[in-house]
Amino acid sequence: GDSVTQMEGPVTLSEEAFLTINCTYTATGYPSLFWYVQYPGEGLQLLLKATKADDKGSNKGFEATYRKETTSFHLEKGSVQVSDSAVYFCALITMDSSYKLIFGSGTRLLVRP
Amino acid sequence: GAGVSQTPSNKVTEKGKYVELRCDPISGHTALYWYRQSLGQGPEFLIYFQGTGAADDSGLPNDRFFAVRPEGSVSTLKIQRTERGDSAVYLCASSRQEAGELFFGEGSRLTVL
Repeated sequence: GDSVTQMEGPVTLSEEAFLTINCTYTATGYPSLFWYVQYPGEGLQLLLKATKADDKGSNKGFEATYRKETTSFHLEKGSVQVSDSAVYFCALITMDSSYKLIFGSGTRLLVRP
Repeated sequence: GAGVSQTPSNKVTEKGKYVELRCDPISGHTALYWYRQSLGQGPEFLIYFQGTGAADDSGLPNDRFFAVRPEGSVSTLKIQRTERGDSAVYLCASSRQEAGELFFGEGSRLTVL
């Protein structure tokens, strides 16, 4: 079945470090891909998305590129801040069930000052 | 309020009891979703409403779980004869469209003793 695999956390970085959180997927057809973020004490919120191969989603300095050849959607940021500390979820939807988000298990990021 | 509102934020109950969890979506959002998030896992789909009807309830784990949305706005997730394995955070989300861009509430944490 369709699934998303994320790197396990926690990921601990110093402020201004470069961030990569790996995400790979298995899906029939051509899914749309998403990154959601959950800040402490808040609900999940959409960070960025990409709907077709080679699309790059970006928001708040974060970027992810939809790589069909490697079935990946890795999240990157060039310089993290303490305020980026949160749990990040990679997710997909398929054309067969465009309302049903399938999430990875999440990666906790801790940024130290 | 402007966001998705869920009540209660925390619920502790005893095994075998009945529980109701409420979700008040963003005004004007016709699509409403329930997800369940166990510790250390990503959210898992339970049910999807389009308007008043449940368009897909395939994620409900068994017949002890039921959800309604009688007027196409507020939804209630009902769990009968609760079991310890039902302990989790129950997330509600709403959206204008079905394209994976969901707005989540902060969740209702259910603990079954």
